[in-house]
Amino acid sequence: DGGITQSPKYLFRKEGQNVTLSCEQNLNHDAMYWYRQDPGQGLRLIYYSQIVNDFQKGDIAEGYSVSREKKESFPLTVTSAQKNPTAFYLCASSTMAGEANTEAFFGQGTRLTVV
Amino acid sequence: QQPVQSPQAVILREGEDAVINCSSSKALYSVHWYRQKHGEAPVFLMILLKGGEQKGHEKISASFNEKKQQSSLYLTASQLSYSGTYFCGILLSSGSARQLTFGSGTQLTVLP
Repeated sequence: DGGITQSPKYLFRKEGQNVTLSCEQNLNHDAMYWYRQDPGQGLRLIYYSQIVNDFQKGDIAEGYSVSREKKESFPLTVTSAQKNPTAFYLCASSTMAGEANTEAFFGQGTRLTVV
Repeated sequence: QQPVQSPQAVILREGEDAVINCSSSKALYSVHWYRQKHGEAPVFLMILLKGGEQKGHEKISASFNEKKQQSSLYLTASQLSYSGTYFCGILLSSGSARQLTFGSGTQLTVLP
């Protein structure tokens, strides 16, 4: 079955440590996105990528880094520079139809807690 | 660039109607609507492209007013399953990159 997979579902990190969240899709989508969601809040864009080896900062990129070495994979690293990393992280992917992106498919999310 | 959604929350009785609005300060290329249940991933409802079209999905429909840079989601004869948080996502007309940006959401609660 085609889909988008995030792992792990729950992640605990000690303060000062970097941690990488995985996002893999087998939908052959060009575009991939990372969002952060805090309790009762909307989806805030961290990074997005339209093609392999290219990515753009979203609204809250500070303290995060990404790579896009393969079309299927878009891992997110939460660095020690991110002051308040505890949140629910969602990865999404979509394809292009003409000039517009089609619907975005979301992974099930990773809940990161800093202890 | 984040779109503004209103209202922030709405409580309905089963069978009642609701309207959720999404507005942007910049010209829109397309608007996406999603629904998220607590602790789950957002689920796609529909996309509207510039041109002012209206789309429907059973008893959920949406409109897109390109001139006003607004979209509205209409939920008619609401069902218990409609409860959740509704997000609009926007793609702006300017720029070559397609940054899908979401509003802060509207929490909809349908009571029996």
